[in-house]
Amino acid sequence: DVKVTQSSRYLVKRTGEKVFLECVQDMDHENMFWYRQDPGLGLRLIYFSYDVKMKEKGDIPEGYSVSREKKERFSLILESASTNQTSMYLCASSSERTDTQYFGPGTRLTVL
Amino acid sequence: DAKTTQPPSMDCAEGRAANLPCNHSTISGNEYVYWYRQIHSQGPQYIIHGLKNNETNEMASLIITEDRKSSTLILPHATLRDTAVYYCIVRVPRRGDKIIFGKGTRLHILP
Repeated sequence: DVKVTQSSRYLVKRTGEKVFLECVQDMDHENMFWYRQDPGLGLRLIYFSYDVKMKEKGDIPEGYSVSREKKERFSLILESASTNQTSMYLCASSSERTDTQYFGPGTRLTVL
Repeated sequence: DAKTTQPPSMDCAEGRAANLPCNHSTISGNEYVYWYRQIHSQGPQYIIHGLKNNETNEMASLIITEDRKSSTLILPHATLRDTAVYYCIVRVPRRGDKIIFGKGTRLHILP
């Protein structure tokens, strides 16, 4: 079974804090993704990575950065958290061969 | 990517087969049909996908019409844990291509 894990299910941070969200997959997938999901707005792609140290901006990269130092791990960084970054954050991974995306359980982030 | 149309909600009795329809009349030849579901407050879960042949796995069966303009996801013996929003999407699998969910079908399994 594909397993994508995320470091926290729930997180509460204060405005201006630096926030790290981590994602780990155990299927040796080349591609990894970070989305956020908000009511009425659906899934929106923040960043994706198709290889170690490679990253591509998605639709809403502003206010976020990412890091992929190892193939299995993809981190999302909020440099200075703001209240409009309160959301459900979803990590996904896929292989080059099939490109079926498998999602993690999500991190519900609240920024106060 | 082509758009899909799904009923907003459906009910199914526990233990019965749940048949979830999806229309994708503008699907192009290289687009696959994918199904995901999302249980409340959890991440989306991949269920199954196919191009033109019917597919079956341990979770569900996917029936695609011959003209590929519609499909049906079948959960053979629905349980309460199958209560979720089910999303049908059509897409060409390619690197970095984002997943876009529509409104999906909210499936209620009734005890």
